[in-house]
Amino acid sequence: AQSVTQLGSHVSVSEGALVLLRCNYSSSVPPYLFWYVQYPNQGLQLLLKYTSAATLVKGINGFEAEFKKSETSFHLTKPSAHMSDAAEYFCAVGTGAGSYQLTFGKGTKLSVIP
Amino acid sequence: EAGVVQSPRYKIIEKKQPVAFWCNPISGHNTLYWYLQNLGQGPELLIRYENEEAVDDSQLPKDRFSAERLKGVDSTLKIQPAELGDSAVYLCASSSGGSRNEQFFGPGTRLTVL
Repeated sequence: AQSVTQLGSHVSVSEGALVLLRCNYSSSVPPYLFWYVQYPNQGLQLLLKYTSAATLVKGINGFEAEFKKSETSFHLTKPSAHMSDAAEYFCAVGTGAGSYQLTFGKGTKLSVIP
Repeated sequence: EAGVVQSPRYKIIEKKQPVAFWCNPISGHNTLYWYLQNLGQGPELLIRYENEEAVDDSQLPKDRFSAERLKGVDSTLKIQPAELGDSAVYLCASSSGGSRNEQFFGPGTRLTVL
C-alpha cells in the first residue's frame, strides 16, 4: 500500500520568495512520484514527475523537486514565487507498471502575497 | 490537441435524484479514470478503464454508482439515487498507456446535492 503526506494544508509566501512545499510518501515498491497543480475550477495539471532517473527533477513554470529515498521525501521548490503560482498543489505516488495508479495527498494551497 | 472534456461543469440536484456525468478523453487514449475529489482533499480513484473494460472498480460504491465506457471511447458515470454526501467534484482523466503514462485531467463536474 502507498500513501502520501503533505505537510501544511496552506502555505503563504511573499512574491519573489522561495517556495517550498513538502511531500513525504510511503510505498512498498519503488515509487513513481508526481506533483500536480490545480487552479480554481480547473483540472489537475502535471508539474513534474520522478520515474527513477535523475533524483532532481525539473518541471514546468520553474518548479523542481528532489527525490530523497532516505527521507522518503519529494519536496517541491521554486526559487522565486510569482503571483501566478497561487494555486493548490498535490503530490501523488504512483504504482502499477504501465498504469501509474495514483494515490494523492490532501493538497497544499499556496498563497502568494504581493 | 483537445484535452479531456467533461460535462456538465456544474450540477445541482436534490437528494434521491439521479445524476450522470459525461467524459470524452483525449483522442487515442485507451485508459480512462474517474476520480472523486471532496473539498479540501486530493482526488481518489473510483474506477479505471482499459478500453471498454473496467479493470479496477474496487473503490466504486456499487450500490448507487455505475459507470460505462461503451466502444472504449467516452464514458458516463451515474449516481442513483444521489445522497447529500455525494457533493464533490468528479474528475475524469485519460492516458495513452505504455511507459509514458501521464494522466491528463479534465476540468471536472462539481456536484451539489441539496
